[in-house]
Amino acid sequence: DMKVTQMPRYLIKRMGENVLLECGQDMSHETMYWYRQDPGLGLQLIYISYDVDSNSEGDIPKGYRVSRKKREHFSLILDSAKTNQTSVYFCASSSRDEQYFGPGTRLTVL
Amino acid sequence: AQSVTQPDARVTVSEGASLQLRCKYSYFGTPYLFWYVQYPRQGLQLLLKYYPGDPVVQGVNGFEAEFSKSNSSFHLRKASVHWSDWAVYFCAVNNYAQGLTFGLGTRVSVFP
Repeated sequence: DMKVTQMPRYLIKRMGENVLLECGQDMSHETMYWYRQDPGLGLQLIYISYDVDSNSEGDIPKGYRVSRKKREHFSLILDSAKTNQTSVYFCASSSRDEQYFGPGTRLTVL
Repeated sequence: AQSVTQPDARVTVSEGASLQLRCKYSYFGTPYLFWYVQYPRQGLQLLLKYYPGDPVVQGVNGFEAEFSKSNSSFHLRKASVHWSDWAVYFCAVNNYAQGLTFGLGTRVSVFP
């Protein structure tokens, strides 16, 4: 069963704290993505990873960094989180052009 | 640059009625097009996809979409809506090496 998992599902942090969002996939896809979703803005691409240690900025990378040390895992890191990073974060992996999405992480930064 | 426009932010429909969601794209060349659905508190799930070929593509749960190159459109249709179709629908176009470009979505509400 093809699956993308995300942990945690819900997270509350204080401004200035570090945040780690984890994503896993069991399909051996080379390409993985991190998006954030905000009302009225749709899905915005933060980072894309083409394989282990091969990452590229998306449309809104500022304030974020990523790590991909294994093909099946892709992490999103917020160093010193800001209140405007409150959002729902989605991870996806792709085969050809079709993307498979995780269930999302709802992050609140107070 | 490629882009996707979904002109209707919200659509309200009665259960059993037909549904059409509009999608216009901008793309240099031959696009690959997708419709995704997002149910409340969930991630996006693929409804259907268009790769060059038959302009009408069938998807899951009775959805279909029609590609029109002359109109730069990829509208989604369903003949008879069910209450479980209450969701947000996203149209997307392939974005070369950057994955997919998504529209802002259309929120569909279904009433008895």
